[in-house]
Amino acid sequence: EIVMTQSPATLSVSPGERATLSCRASHNVNSNLAWYQQKPGQAPRLLIYTASTRATGIPARFSGNGSGTEFTLTISSLQSEDFAVYYCQQYNSWPLTFGGGTKVEIK
Amino acid sequence: EVQLLESGGGLVQPGGSLRLSCATSEFTFSNYGMNWVRQAPGKGLEWVSAISGSGSGTYYADSVKGRFIVSRDNSKNALFLQMNSLRGEDTAVYYCAQERVAGGVGNYFENWGQGILVTVSS
Repeated sequence: EIVMTQSPATLSVSPGERATLSCRASHNVNSNLAWYQQKPGQAPRLLIYTASTRATGIPARFSGNGSGTEFTLTISSLQSEDFAVYYCQQYNSWPLTFGGGTKVEIK
Repeated sequence: EVQLLESGGGLVQPGGSLRLSCATSEFTFSNYGMNWVRQAPGKGLEWVSAISGSGSGTYYADSVKGRFIVSRDNSKNALFLQMNSLRGEDTAVYYCAQERVAGGVGNYFENWGQGILVTVSS
């Protein structure tokens, strides 16, 4: 099983600032990596797939980068609606696995 | 707009069984792989199971293998999860999720249901 490790667990950021979230895979997942955003009481929302492609309707301030075992999600200028928990997910091999999440909170 | 609606959750005793359903609409159901993903209270996401569009391929997390069975009825646009020998650690919100890419299974998920709570407790 590929273990996905996200860091930091919590990121405190002021509105308008840049946020960089990390995701590390225990084995090579190529570019088979997705990012999701989840707000309290809601289902996850797909942000990024194939490591760097924004899903439909996702603002350009969200960007993904990386391949192999190291990935980042960057939010260029945090808006109030971006404070949430973010998960990475690998789909290179079974079983599909998620990272533990990074909570982005208001500083 | 794609709609996914889970039902069948509730309180069940350890060792018991429960069957979840996911009713879908506004897409060609048989063209898409479908998944179940769960989230224990206050915890992260855990992929549980996947099924191909035809239903011929099924996949499970080790934590549920041999206890859970995923199935689908393409004539009714519905997805199911039969959960047997339930344990306390199966307590979670269960989401059904649609693969983004038609014809595939085991990828990433664009559309999700609102989730249904399953509580395993005596």
